[in-house]
Amino acid sequence: GAGVSQSPSNKVTEKGKDVELRCDPISGHTALYWYRQSLGQGLEFLIYFQGNSAPDKSGLPSDRFSAERTGGSVSTLTIQRTQQEDSAVYLCASSLALFFQNEQYFGPGTRLTVT
Amino acid sequence: QKEVEQDPGPLSVPEGAIVSLNCTYSNSAFQYFMWYRQYSRKGPELLMYTYSSGNKEDGRFTAQVDKSSKYISLFIRDSQPSDSATYLCAMSPPNSKLTFGKGITLSVRP
Repeated sequence: GAGVSQSPSNKVTEKGKDVELRCDPISGHTALYWYRQSLGQGLEFLIYFQGNSAPDKSGLPSDRFSAERTGGSVSTLTIQRTQQEDSAVYLCASSLALFFQNEQYFGPGTRLTVT
Repeated sequence: QKEVEQDPGPLSVPEGAIVSLNCTYSNSAFQYFMWYRQYSRKGPELLMYTYSSGNKEDGRFTAQVDKSSKYISLFIRDSQPSDSATYLCAMSPPNSKLTFGKGITLSVRP
């Protein structure tokens, strides 16, 4: 079956512009997670969704970052007024149930470059 | 001190070598321990999963967890060029988010 998909695969934007990153999880997966992977920094947890609800937004780096999930499926991560330090690979993962750790499937990521 | 420490490498070995990858951690609440493999320009994929202490073997791969030392290891026997990738350790308490190491890039030379 289809895995987790993300779009775009690459995004180059100018500093100060807004960007939207999309994640389409595996069908039937109720939990969805966003991570950021910067060079030499490993994976940084950003936010998770159980259904459409995101109970804990404390992992988001600043108030320029927001995320939503509608219909219990597709999620969008929005970065407003992008800065150069936002350049990273943004990864999405999904699992059947929340924090079902051994079944967290990752998408290929969106590589964001802010110039 | 970071919650999870992983030697960033890189590591280069000849084909057929035994590879040992390690992580240390500080949070005694961690109960779930994973190793992910990430090929270039791809998302991480789960390689090994262990709950609490002990060993787990899957083909050429063995994962070990020593909770008394807060130390986990991944051993790769008879390493192959196809094993060349970045390996990330990850761990979590029950019902909580994963915390990842920074990853180590492994290159297996033919």
